[in-house]
Parts: sequence; C-alpha cells; structure tokens
Amino acid sequence: SQTIHQWPATLVQPVGSPLSLECTVEGTSNPNLYWYRQAAGRGLQLLFYSVGIGQISSEVPQNLSASRPQDRQFILSSKKLLLSDSGFYLCAGEGQSNSPLHFGNGTRLTVT
Amino acid sequence: GESVGLHLPTLSVQEGDNSIINCAYSNSASDYFIWYKQESGKGPQFIIDIRSNMDKRQGQRVTVLLNKTVKHLSLQIAATQPGDSAVYFCAENPPNAGNMLTFGGGTRLMVKP
Repeated sequence: SQTIHQWPATLVQPVGSPLSLECTVEGTSNPNLYWYRQAAGRGLQLLFYSVGIGQISSEVPQNLSASRPQDRQFILSSKKLLLSDSGFYLCAGEGQSNSPLHFGNGTRLTVT
Repeated sequence: GESVGLHLPTLSVQEGDNSIINCAYSNSASDYFIWYKQESGKGPQFIIDIRSNMDKRQGQRVTVLLNKTVKHLSLQIAATQPGDSAVYFCAENPPNAGNMLTFGGGTRLMVKP
C-alpha cells in the first residue's frame, strides 16, 4: 500500500525567509502527487500536482513553487515567505486512476 | 461553478447513535466519490468510496449512499464512537479533471459520551 511521508510536522519561519517542505512516497511507482493547503477550519485547496519527474502544474497563482526531482519526491518551496503563507500543507499521492488519494500527516507552517 | 458542498458544518451526536453526514454535488457527470476523515493535526484518511454505477456501498460501520437523481452523497456511521469525532470531507472526481478531486468544505462530527 502507498505511504506518504512529510516533514517537518511543524515549522515556524519569519517573513521573508525561504521554505522547503519535502514529501516522499513509498509503495507506488510513478504516482501522481499533489500539494494541498488547508486554512484553519476550512477545506482543501489544491496548489500543485505532478504526473511525473519534472512535470508540475499549478492550480493557483501564489508565492510558492513545487518541484519533482525524483519519482517519489515532491518538494514545496518559497524564496520569500509571506504571512499569508501560514497554513497546514498536505502532500497526497495516488498510484492508479480513480484510486483514492492517500495523504501525509501534513506540515503546520506558521509565518511570523 | 461546479462545487461540492455540505449541508451541516457541525453535527453533534450521542455515543452509540447513528450519524449521517450529507454532501451535495453539482456536477452530475462526476463518476467517483470519496469520503475522508480528518482528525485534529493529521492528514485526511480515506474512509470509503463509491462509483457512479452504484447507489450504496458498505464498509465496517460505515455506509455511503449515492443519489444521482438529486446529486446527493451521504455517509452513515453506525453506533458512533468517541473516536469517530473528526472533520469529514466528501470529494468528487469531475469529468475532464483527470484524477483530481474537488473537496467539499467539511463537516465536524462531535460525539458526546
């Protein structure tokens, strides 16, 4: 079965600092991978998705970027964080068409 | 635009009672639906899914019902337990969206002992 690993679990960063969140996948090759953001008490907003190495699609314009340097690695980055980048970031993956997304346990980012 | 929504943002039930969480979807061509459970500080956890060629699917203590006529999805939890307290999200896979899901806003289920 597929397992999604995310780290760190929590992160506090000052405004203007860089960001790098990493997500790795076990149990599936060539998965579709996704980055979501969840504001407190709200639903999930899709930020990026990737269907393969080096292939990134962005859903919303923002201060963030994503990269997929390896098949099972998906990275969320920012060069300069904004206060509005605070939130709960979730990585998700799926191995087959119309199979459920599996989520990691998320990273709680607080920008101060 | 097309969207997935929920009728009740918060549902409070007594331990041992059955719970019903509802979801309305607007894209009649969606062919795959999923319910997720999210506990505080954790990622969403898959509960059960259903395809559009089915009306009902049962799991362990959970049942998902799909009414395509009124575009309504529900999650029924039997004999609700304190451990069922969480936020529940429905999600749909619209046509022409590949494998991407559209998520509803979530319903918080609170189980009273």
